[in-house]
Amino acid sequence: AQTVTQSQPEMSVQEAETVTLSCTYDTSESNYYLFWYKQPPSRQMILVIRQEAYKQQNATENRFSVNFQKAAKSFSLKISDSQLGDTAMYFCAFMKGYGGGNQFYFGTGTSLTVIP
Amino acid sequence: GAVVSQHPSRVICKSGTSVKIECRSLDFQATTMFWYRQFPKQSLMLMATSNEGSKATYEQGVEKDKFLINHASLTLSTLTVTSAHPEDSSFYICSAKAGSGNTIYFGEGSWLTVV
Repeated sequence: AQTVTQSQPEMSVQEAETVTLSCTYDTSESNYYLFWYKQPPSRQMILVIRQEAYKQQNATENRFSVNFQKAAKSFSLKISDSQLGDTAMYFCAFMKGYGGGNQFYFGTGTSLTVIP
Repeated sequence: GAVVSQHPSRVICKSGTSVKIECRSLDFQATTMFWYRQFPKQSLMLMATSNEGSKATYEQGVEKDKFLINHASLTLSTLTVTSAHPEDSSFYICSAKAGSGNTIYFGEGSWLTVV
């Protein structure tokens, strides 16, 4: 079974500062994908960033980057130059690789508040 | 980009009645769709996987006779909550798999309130 753990229920950061959200996971799979999703008050799930487990290079999308530590099964999200629009719930998610189905296993979420 | 649309976005129904929520892929064919449930301030929990033309696969603990899922076409999956009760009130989200890859698109979600 796959489990995803987010140990920070709530976090806050000053506007323009940097914040890191933690995520650990447990799996026996060797091929998988990891994701960070953002859920603003509208509840729409928005993909922030994804990482293929076979890639050693950490994924980066503009102000968002990850620190993927495969051996430690850790997948943290760093948000640089935080903006008010970054205020949302953030979910870390796991998906099995090819042939394993495409369902997500979500963590419990981290509520991030960006303070003006 | 690809769009997944859910309807209705909000619905209120009386206890004991049934309500149907639709999930449509607007500009792509979705052979597989997923239904999730989210309680307030909680994570998304997978309810079932819906494959076009076949029976849905339900997660452990999800009553298949209560949550009827139909995936009759490549662009439409429906979730029917039968004999709804107040404890079924929740936010329901669908997602759809595009093509043979692992790109997934989420719908906007549907709020169900059973009174």
